[in-house]
Amino acid sequence: QLVLTQSPSASASLGASVKLTCTLSSGHSSYAIAWHQQQPEKGPRYLMRLNSDGSHNKGDGIPDRFSGSSSGAERYLTISSLQSEDEADYYCQTWGTGIWVFGGGTKLTVL
Amino acid sequence: EVQLVESGGGLVQPGGSLRLSCAASGFTFSNYAMNWVRQAPGKGLEWLSYISSSSSTIYYADSVKGRFTISRDTAKNSLFLQMNSLRDEDTAVYYCARIYSSSSRINDYWGQGTLVTVSS
Repeated sequence: QLVLTQSPSASASLGASVKLTCTLSSGHSSYAIAWHQQQPEKGPRYLMRLNSDGSHNKGDGIPDRFSGSSSGAERYLTISSLQSEDEADYYCQTWGTGIWVFGGGTKLTVL
Repeated sequence: EVQLVESGGGLVQPGGSLRLSCAASGFTFSNYAMNWVRQAPGKGLEWLSYISSSSSTIYYADSVKGRFTISRDTAKNSLFLQMNSLRDEDTAVYYCARIYSSSSRINDYWGQGTLVTVSS
């Protein structure tokens, strides 16, 4: 079964860096994912597509502070030089035949 | 600029029906597959339905199969979601989202959402 697992919460200080993790279920470690950001009271915003080899393609206007990497079944989103507007929920997404799956989301608090 | 604008949400009684629309602009709508995704209050994102660019392939999540119908009108650059037999648990913000490509089926653009409230 295709499942994405995310930690419910994370926090980091203004100006620091944070690394969020999305873990693919067993047998699905080669899958590409997408990262999406959802600021409070807004719709989701596509950040990037992240492949199993760590290569990634960012969406329009996404700052260089956002980057992605991969290791085995884990997909990472690193945000550097944290700003207050980065406080948001972050979701990973993948797909299979006839199904699309989201992780439960990570709520990022910028201290 | 790619834009997706949902409409049609509102308050409906349990067992009722509602039809959501998603107006697309800024890209060649006929070339892209689309998804509907929803978010219940305080919850995460839930995929509901997929339609290919030609409407030849359609998928539904088990939670809405048999009750919801996805469709599109290329001439009107619009995507639709017909929702029947609505339940309390269908209360959510509903988003339409574009599929990046046939080989990479992630969502690369999202609408702002439309709120559906199912309540008596």
